[in-house]
Formats: sequence, structure tokens, C-alpha cells
Amino acid sequence: DAGVTQSPTHLIKTRGQQVTLRCSPKSGHDTVSWYQQALGQGPQFIFQYYEEEERQRGNFPDRFSGHQFPNYSSELNVNALLLGDSALYLCASSLPDSRRGYTFGSGTRLTVV
Amino acid sequence: SQKIEQNSEALNIQEGKTATLTCNYTNYSPAYLQWYRQDPGRGPVFLLLIRENEKEKRKERLKVTFDTTLKQSLFHITASQPADSATYLCALLTGANNLFFGTGTRLTVIP
Repeated sequence: DAGVTQSPTHLIKTRGQQVTLRCSPKSGHDTVSWYQQALGQGPQFIFQYYEEEERQRGNFPDRFSGHQFPNYSSELNVNALLLGDSALYLCASSLPDSRRGYTFGSGTRLTVV
Repeated sequence: SQKIEQNSEALNIQEGKTATLTCNYTNYSPAYLQWYRQDPGRGPVFLLLIRENEKEKRKERLKVTFDTTLKQSLFHITASQPADSATYLCALLTGANNLFFGTGTRLTVIP
């Protein structure tokens, strides 16, 4: 049973560029959440997608946007990259009832130079 | 403002002892509290969930308590082993089904 798959695993971008990160949820899961994790910090909630719509959003600027496709996979887009956007980006999938816990991917390590 | 704080960034204990990690939160009304383990370069892995009306939950060598009056959860690992060394994250699940994480505690079990 495949867990959550994220691509790419590592990425280096230049300040001002745009980036797209991808996530395939665990089989049977239809809700996808994205998190940003800076080194030594806990994951920070970016947004959650369910039924192809953004359901909740954390305290992140509009430069961060996302999409969910009919097969439940998801993309995270970040425009006008800043040095401070360098972090591990984690995708988590779950059922709408999240009481069984989220399943996380291994993340995409984004470095902005 | 809303905060989820874990008592220390790092905790070192001797193998065989019980590790106790603390999670305190403010300005949240969580329906559930969860604990995750995270190894370097990996995503968090779900360990345990406890409901707001439960006082204690156990799973093998793990025990979690939840005190909604104190707004605190304690996470215990008994008979700790070097393989338990990792970062442990507490997370609050809100009624809107969103998960918010604490800062994490890095546990090192010394052989």
C-alpha cells in the first residue's frame, strides 16, 4: 500500500522564481494538507484541500497557492520566492475524519538562493 | 495568540528509563490531541490519539495523558531504547479537522 508520495525530493531555486511541488495521497485518502517546516521547528499549516477546494488556510501569504485534482493528488505553488521560503515542505493525506491521524510524505526540501 | 509549546527542545535520558515529554497549549479548543514521531529528513509518523474526554491512552510502551483543564498533555515512553531517539511532536486536531503542531522535542536515548 503506497503511502504519500512527494516530488521532487530536493529543489534549488533562485529568489523571485516560482516553484511547484507535487503530492499523491495515500490510497483511500481524499483530503490533502500542506505544511512548511523550517529547520528545528514544528510543521506550520499552510492549507488543506478537500473535494478540489481549499477548505482551510493558515497564516501564509497569497504567494502560496494550491490545487487538488479529481484523483485527489495536489500541487503547492509558491510565487516570487524569498530566501525565507527555504524549508521542508510536507504533504499529508487523511480521510475527512482526521481522527485516525495524518499520513505524511517524506517532504520536498526547497532551498532558495 | 494561539500557541502549542513543548517543554524542551532536547531531552537526553539513559536507556531503560522513562522519557516524559510535555505539551502545553493556549487559545485552542482541540477535539483531539495527537502525538507524532519524526526522524531526520522524514515526515512525521502518527503514534497516538487521545480524545478530549479521555484521561489516558496506552499503546505498547507509550502512554499519553490529556488534561483539558490544565491544557496539557504528557507523553511517556517506558523502558526507553536507543531506537526511540527522534523528535516527538504533539499536534492538536480542531473541530474543523485541521492539525496544528507544536515545536517538537528531540529525544536522545543514551545506551
